[in-house]
Amino acid sequence: GAGVSQSPSNKVTEKGKDVELRCDPISGHTALYWYRQSLGQGLEFLIYFQGNSAPDKSGLPSDRFSAERTGGSVSTLTIQRTQQEDSAVYLCASRWTGDSTEAFFGQGTRLTVV
Amino acid sequence: AQSVTQLDSQVPVFEEAPVELRCNYSSSVSVYLFWYVQYPNQGLQLLLKYLSGSTLVKGINGFEAEFNKSQTSFHLRKPSVHISDTAEYFCAVSEAGTALIFGKGTTLSVSS
Repeated sequence: GAGVSQSPSNKVTEKGKDVELRCDPISGHTALYWYRQSLGQGLEFLIYFQGNSAPDKSGLPSDRFSAERTGGSVSTLTIQRTQQEDSAVYLCASRWTGDSTEAFFGQGTRLTVV
Repeated sequence: AQSVTQLDSQVPVFEEAPVELRCNYSSSVSVYLFWYVQYPNQGLQLLLKYLSGSTLVKGINGFEAEFNKSQTSFHLRKPSVHISDTAEYFCAVSEAGTALIFGKGTTLSVSS
């Protein structure tokens, strides 16, 4: 596709359920990021994949959060046993190899935990 | 690890006034610096970036930013704002081989 695609765009889930959020990066982009955006907190870094290197998971807020990237392309962010404080917009971004390049963002998944 | 501080969470200005959105970063090595903008109900897009060379960087929509290594700052400026500049602005820093880290954002509100 032409841009970063995220699905679903909106997700409402009950507290305690598991959710999976999907990100399709721009073809050929080797770096992929997940961020969480909530009011007043800006873009909170969650996890960073770069090529075949081990991911930087330093931003994951708890062990309920995990992410994988299959075949160097599609990524899935999984939140287990969701809590109300997990409600936020989850953004995915991708960029070409190189830390000086522009990151392109998807439209995000708005997660609401009720 | 690198970090970013955006000193103002909200900046209200009148149309045609100048504006400066402040950003400070911390890093022990050379960095790349970015400003992204998020218009209401839209995704993030790149406004400008500093990689190396000239410390004054020009971006889209008349914005510019100046890299100041001694003050570890990368403030964003525009000499005359428009209503359409109302948006949230994010400063970001990247070091070689590490994640792209964002500040908490500054909401610019332009009124007539």
